Amino acid sequence: DAKTTQPPSMDCAEGRAANLPCNHSTISGNEYVYWYRQIHSQGPQYIIHGLKNNETNEMASLIITEDRKSSTLILPHATLRDTAVYYCIVRVDRLLIRQSGSARQLTFGSGTQLTVLP
Amino acid sequence: DAGVIQSPRHEVTEMGQEVTLRCKPISGHDYLFWYRQTMMRGLELLIYFNNNVPIDDSGMPEDRFSAKMPNASFSTLKIQPSEPRDSAVYFCASRTATESSYNEQFFGPGTRLTVL
Repeated sequence: DAKTTQPPSMDCAEGRAANLPCNHSTISGNEYVYWYRQIHSQGPQYIIHGLKNNETNEMASLIITEDRKSSTLILPHATLRDTAVYYCIVRVDRLLIRQSGSARQLTFGSGTQLTVLP
Repeated sequence: DAGVIQSPRHEVTEMGQEVTLRCKPISGHDYLFWYRQTMMRGLELLIYFNNNVPIDDSGMPEDRFSAKMPNASFSTLKIQPSEPRDSAVYFCASRTATESSYNEQFFGPGTRLTVL
């Protein structure tokens, strides 16, 4: 799996957009970008994923650059409850996983500690 | 659905004792994962199962750790004998293999283990 690089920490004002960057310069064509977050004392929570197109769901938006070497997770209106560690993960396409028999695990890096300030 | 259930939520034991952590995956999920999280090492995958069969245990730190999945609704992670460096939060996660799920794993609340 491609290695990801994230800033260790970020602050964001409540109500403003939080933009969390992730570099994955060695990503290959069949690897998806996934975002999870972990609120203190809880298990990780899935947020969003994408391959090359921008994605949006009820939680966040994912912007992937055209060369796919970096991406940005956007929380459009951050709240205090969004304070958490955010993990960017790249993972091989699930169909390829099934064909090759490779592991279906996720490898978590150190993530970004996002602190939403009142 | 109640989500992934783990027990106990907190465990305090003395060095040398056997510790058993339990997990009930979400019904219908055929993949189960055990992770360990510490401040020093972050979140690490220990082992995962597919249809109750261990597939990859390369993350298990040493022979003191063992995991079983006797049926689709139950898994255990056992540490024998336990050591202070095993103190961590242990997470269990599960996911389905259907087309719509990709790699979205659902995590349990974790078991905080303290070995004195």
